Amino acid sequence: EIVMTQSPATLSVSPGERATLSCRASQYISSNLAWYQQKPGQAPRLLIYGASTRATGIPASFSGSGSGTEFTLTISSLQSEDFAIYYCQQYHNWPLYTFGQGTKLEIK
Amino acid sequence: QFQLQESGPGLVKPSETLSLTCTVSGGSISSSNYYWAWIRQPPGKGLEWIGSIYYSGSTYYNPSLKSRVTISVDTSKNQFSLKLSSVTAADTAVYFCARQGRRPGDEYFQHWGQGALVTVSS
Repeated sequence: EIVMTQSPATLSVSPGERATLSCRASQYISSNLAWYQQKPGQAPRLLIYGASTRATGIPASFSGSGSGTEFTLTISSLQSEDFAIYYCQQYHNWPLYTFGQGTKLEIK
Repeated sequence: QFQLQESGPGLVKPSETLSLTCTVSGGSISSSNYYWAWIRQPPGKGLEWIGSIYYSGSTYYNPSLKSRVTISVDTSKNQFSLKLSSVTAADTAVYFCARQGRRPGDEYFQHWGQGALVTVSS
């Protein structure tokens, strides 16, 4: 099983600033990584797939980078609606898909 | 527009079988482009993939749950279902159904249902 490790567990950032979230895979996963945003009481929403491709309707303020085992989600100029929990997920190891434990992005 | 909707009992007794159905609307479950997945999230915790099914009936399960899980599909109703047997309190979670890409490199979860909370308690 590929273990996905996200850091930090909680990130405190002020509105208007940039947030950088990290995700590390325990094994090589190429670019087979997705990022999801989850707000309280809601289902996760796909933000990024293929490590760097934004899903339909996702603003350009969200960007993903990385390949292999190290990945980053960057949110530039944070808006109030961006404060949520973010999960990474690998889909390289078919068919055992695994998620990171999440990073909570909170208002500083 | 495309939607998924979970339905089923919100309370299940220990040792019994959890059963949920996901109804797909705005698209065909018989598309060759997708798998149909179940994912769960215990209260306050992270996400766990349970398993996926293709419209033909081919299934893929998380090894940690494989002995207790059955996922099936009913193309005539545009639905797929989850059964989890011998449940314990550890199976208490919000259960999500999702549409998953089928082609290599597309196997992320593109669309999600709103989720259904299932509590295991006597």
